Amino acid sequence: GAVVSQHPSWVICKSGTSVKIECRSLDFQATTMFWYRQFPKQSLMLMATSNEGSKATYEQGVEKDKFLINHASLTLSTLTVTSAHPEDSSFYICSARYYGYTFGSGTRLTVV
Amino acid sequence: AQKVTQAQTEISVVEKEDVTLDCVYETRDTTYYLFWYKQPPSGELVFLIRRNSFDEQNEISGRYSWNFQKSTSSFNFTITASQVVDSAVYFCALSERTDGATNKLIFGTGTLLAVQP
Repeated sequence: GAVVSQHPSWVICKSGTSVKIECRSLDFQATTMFWYRQFPKQSLMLMATSNEGSKATYEQGVEKDKFLINHASLTLSTLTVTSAHPEDSSFYICSARYYGYTFGSGTRLTVV
Repeated sequence: AQKVTQAQTEISVVEKEDVTLDCVYETRDTTYYLFWYKQPPSGELVFLIRRNSFDEQNEISGRYSWNFQKSTSSFNFTITASQVVDSAVYFCALSERTDGATNKLIFGTGTLLAVQP
């Protein structure tokens, strides 16, 4: 079946630094990937849609300069949280379209 | 715009009880897909079911069953004879075609199910 691998599973970083999260489709090509953010006890909120070879489409209210998305190949999309602050601490999860939607295992980001 | 409402924030049942999780959706499209996912404490999302808007047949998979009613825009999920392992957050989600291109998947607010032994 379709597998999406997401790394790292968790990361702790200092305020002001940048963090990169990778999302790979292991056994299929994903022209479109989605990035979600989930705060504790809340739903998954779509941040952006990542399209291979083109610019990402961001949802309203999401700062594109802060959350940089790169989808340079058909199997890899990356989300970089730039100049992270404690309020960026959250659970980030990616998804790729394959029949339905296949999700990565998520990344728990803590900014201290 | 598409919207998914899960009015039940938390449900607590005793093992072996049946429980139904409600989901109501809004969409302007005639073609759309509905999903249910399970999110255990570990955080990963477990796919449970996908249903397209043209298939209103109810579905049963083991202890799980789904009732899709377009007339009321609802896609409810029932767990029969619940077990402690069913304890998790359950999300209903909707996907519709936007701008003729990408199908975004929008989630409801989720229902936390706690099954007590």
